[in-house]
Amino acid sequence: DTGVSQDPRHKITKRGQNVTFRCDPISEHNRLYWYRQTLGQGPEFLTYFQNEAQLEKSRLLSDRFSAERPKGSFSTLEIQRTEQGDSAMYLCAAGDYSYNEQFFGPGTRLTVL
Amino acid sequence: AQSVAQPEDQVNVAEGNPLTVKCTYSVSGNPYLFWYVQYPNRGLQFLLKYITGDNLVKGSYGFEAEFNKSQTSFHLKKPSALVSDSALYFCAVRDKMDSNYQLIWGAGTKLIIKP
Repeated sequence: DTGVSQDPRHKITKRGQNVTFRCDPISEHNRLYWYRQTLGQGPEFLTYFQNEAQLEKSRLLSDRFSAERPKGSFSTLEIQRTEQGDSAMYLCAAGDYSYNEQFFGPGTRLTVL
Repeated sequence: AQSVAQPEDQVNVAEGNPLTVKCTYSVSGNPYLFWYVQYPNRGLQFLLKYITGDNLVKGSYGFEAEFNKSQTSFHLKKPSALVSDSALYFCAVRDKMDSNYQLIWGAGTKLIIKP
């Protein structure tokens, strides 16, 4: 158990709808990352938080995507006006400065119909 | 530019035989290297890392990896494969000086262990 939880585990939505995912790391995890992963591929970086500050955002990230980490604890990832191409596994990872590795949550699988 | 290459999309090994999953990397500075495993419909699970010190590092489930600076490689190995080792394996690298601890990921290698 990595201590990182994600909710929901699965989400099916219709094209054009908005969706929001949540990630809960343990309190010691001051670093938090969001990734997207499609079948058979490696994780694709989306964005990074250090505590509550969003320090890095992928240039590939559409403006339909937004992420927050209020108070430096849990984080949310929102996708507005979903498209079929958004269908993927969305992974959250976290860590602190004691560790160099990232600890992953189980992921949220999004299917856009 | 930093990159990670996993040259094999799939590796097939008979149960009980040794296995190797290959990884080479390119970073501008000193590398921190990682291996993760992913089972179907699951998140990524940390296996092992090389930060400094002994070039041979041992990790979970009997896996080990050897850091080779001259060949810029970090191959994952196990002396005797189990059917339960069948999964997707990812190599990742970080530049030691990257303050965001950003990982660069390989495309993954599917490991199939046959009984």
